[in-house]
Amino acid sequence: AQSVTQLGSHVSVSEGALVLLRCNYSSSVPPYLFWYVQYPNQGLQLLLKYTSAATLVKGINGFEAEFKKSETSFHLTKPSAHMSDAAEYFCAVSDPTNLFFGTGTRLTVIP
Amino acid sequence: GAVVSQHPSWVICKSGTSVKIECRSLDFQATTMFWYRQFPKQSLMLMATSNEGSKATYEQGVEKDKFLINHASLTLSTLTVTSAHPEDSSFYICSARVTGNQPQHFGDGTRLSIL
Repeated sequence: AQSVTQLGSHVSVSEGALVLLRCNYSSSVPPYLFWYVQYPNQGLQLLLKYTSAATLVKGINGFEAEFKKSETSFHLTKPSAHMSDAAEYFCAVSDPTNLFFGTGTRLTVIP
Repeated sequence: GAVVSQHPSWVICKSGTSVKIECRSLDFQATTMFWYRQFPKQSLMLMATSNEGSKATYEQGVEKDKFLINHASLTLSTLTVTSAHPEDSSFYICSARVTGNQPQHFGDGTRLSIL
């Protein structure tokens, strides 16, 4: 069965600081992994996806994530936080049918 | 590309009425569409999966007669909340996918408030 665990329901960083949002997955097959961002009262926007090609995946808005099989991790990073990055971030793993979401991490950016 | 439009974005109605929410894939054909429910400060809960031309597959605990899903074409799925009550108030989000392990693309959600 597929599942993801997001460590830390809230993360606060200063503007310009490194953003690190943690995600660990569990999958019985090679996983397809995703990061989505949700702004208040909106749906989810795809940030990036891992589909068994390059282990370092670059996404939109300067975000990237590295797939580490040995650690079963897919952490999301951004070198320098911007105020507009404040949002809820969801990690997800898919099987051929469905997406399985983590519980989300709320990112706060402090000016 | 890959735009999903959800309508309405916000609806307030009286208890006992039925509410229809539309989900359209604007620039691609969606073999599969998904309906989620999201409670405040929580993750998305999958309600049902629908494939075009087939009956929807509901997740355990989701009432089929309460939440009617129709996926009549490759670009449109509808969710009808029948005889809505205050406990049905929530944020409902749809998503659409072309095939297989392609990413799901999400609508902007519908906030439903039942008085």
